[in-house]
Amino acid sequence: EAGVTQFPSHSVIEKGQTVTLRCDPISGHDNLYWYRRVMGKEIKFLLHFVKESKQDESGMPNNRFLAERTGGTYSTLKVQPAELEDSGVYFCASSQETGRIYGYTFGSGTRLTVV
Amino acid sequence: AQSVSQHNHHVILSEAASLELGCNYSYGGTVNLFWYVQYPGQHLQLLLKYFSGDPLVKGIKGFEAEFIKSKFSFNLRKPSVQWSDTAEYFCAVGLLSNTGKLIFGQGTTLQVKP
Repeated sequence: EAGVTQFPSHSVIEKGQTVTLRCDPISGHDNLYWYRRVMGKEIKFLLHFVKESKQDESGMPNNRFLAERTGGTYSTLKVQPAELEDSGVYFCASSQETGRIYGYTFGSGTRLTVV
Repeated sequence: AQSVSQHNHHVILSEAASLELGCNYSYGGTVNLFWYVQYPGQHLQLLLKYFSGDPLVKGIKGFEAEFIKSKFSFNLRKPSVQWSDTAEYFCAVGLLSNTGKLIFGQGTTLQVKP
């Protein structure tokens, strides 16, 4: 079984530019989550999709972040325009269960550096 | 607000030493508890989890954790660490009242000296 795939693994962009991160969950997993870890801090929840619907986007920091999951398969997270404080590691995770947390499968993360 | 606290940010041990990493959470309701590990260059992996029943749970690679409800704690233990246990360890709490998001602690970096 293929795992959760994230692309790119690293991205370095200038402040003000746009970056799009992609996550391919495990096939058949309806639940897809985005998390972020800013340097030295805890991993924080950004949002949760169930299929193509946003179930919970309470962790999205501001309207510069836009997440989509068209067709309920892969998801993208766009940051536009990027700011220095957006630097960090962005994790994606997926799970099959709904309504109970059995533990996710995480991707390797995308390390975003905004300079 | 709910939070998870990992008291040890950086731990250095020699091989064969015993390990205990502390984790406390603040939430009065029912929780699911997890420990994740991230080995250098790899993705986050589930070490073990607690949902209900026996508060002593065993995970992969000889790790175990004990849920003490009265102390809001879920400490991770291993009797004898190996060099290959060098990694970052994350405690996480899932609240049954929400849709599945996890609240993570800040992580503990474990360095095991051969």
